[in-house]
Amino acid sequence: EVQLSESGGGLVQPGGSLRLSCAASGFTFDSHAMSWVRQAPGRGLEWVSSVNNNDGSTYHADSVKGRFTISRDNSKSTLYLQMNSLRAEDTAIYYCARQLPWGFDSWGQGILVTVSS
Amino acid sequence: DIQLTQSPSFLSASVGDRVTITCRASQGISSSLAWYQQKPGKAPKLLIYAASTLESGVPSRFSGNGSGTEFTLTISSLQPEDFATYYCLELNSYPLTFGQGTKLEIK
Repeated sequence: EVQLSESGGGLVQPGGSLRLSCAASGFTFDSHAMSWVRQAPGRGLEWVSSVNNNDGSTYHADSVKGRFTISRDNSKSTLYLQMNSLRAEDTAIYYCARQLPWGFDSWGQGILVTVSS
Repeated sequence: DIQLTQSPSFLSASVGDRVTITCRASQGISSSLAWYQQKPGKAPKLLIYAASTLESGVPSRFSGNGSGTEFTLTISSLQPEDFATYYCLELNSYPLTFGQGTKLEIK
């Protein structure tokens, strides 16, 4: 069974940093692209970042480009999201998801990030 | 960047009704579209991928259609557990884009 478990969320002040982790199990982690998707309170889903499995190429939404960095450690079956220069509008539940060519087929339970002073 | 316009934003229907949700892309995306169901406090669940392929385990009352710029998700006979919010997602190219969502409520 595919399992994805996020950690590292919490309350951070504007301008601060946070690193999210997503521990994966139940599948061959290095065979799949992985992504982060977020959802602000009461709002819709927003794709944030993706990382390929083969060449490690990364992609980021314009809203986080230059501030967030996605990475992966295949030896630990773990996905990361380094978030710097956080803003109030980054407040959201962050989901990690396994990415297939045709969609995100497995999701974590989500982790809340709150940016507030 | 590709924009997705989902309609309607809200839909009120009764158990047993047939409902259709539409997702329009700002440019052609072939069949690179997926549909998700999300219930409050839960992660989204994949229903349909490649525009019309039913994900394993998803009831056959759900169906998807379309290609290019216009896509539909149809629920043939609403069940109580289907009342949720539905999103389309395009995977044609980065940045990936979700539709704004359709909240399906009980009439």
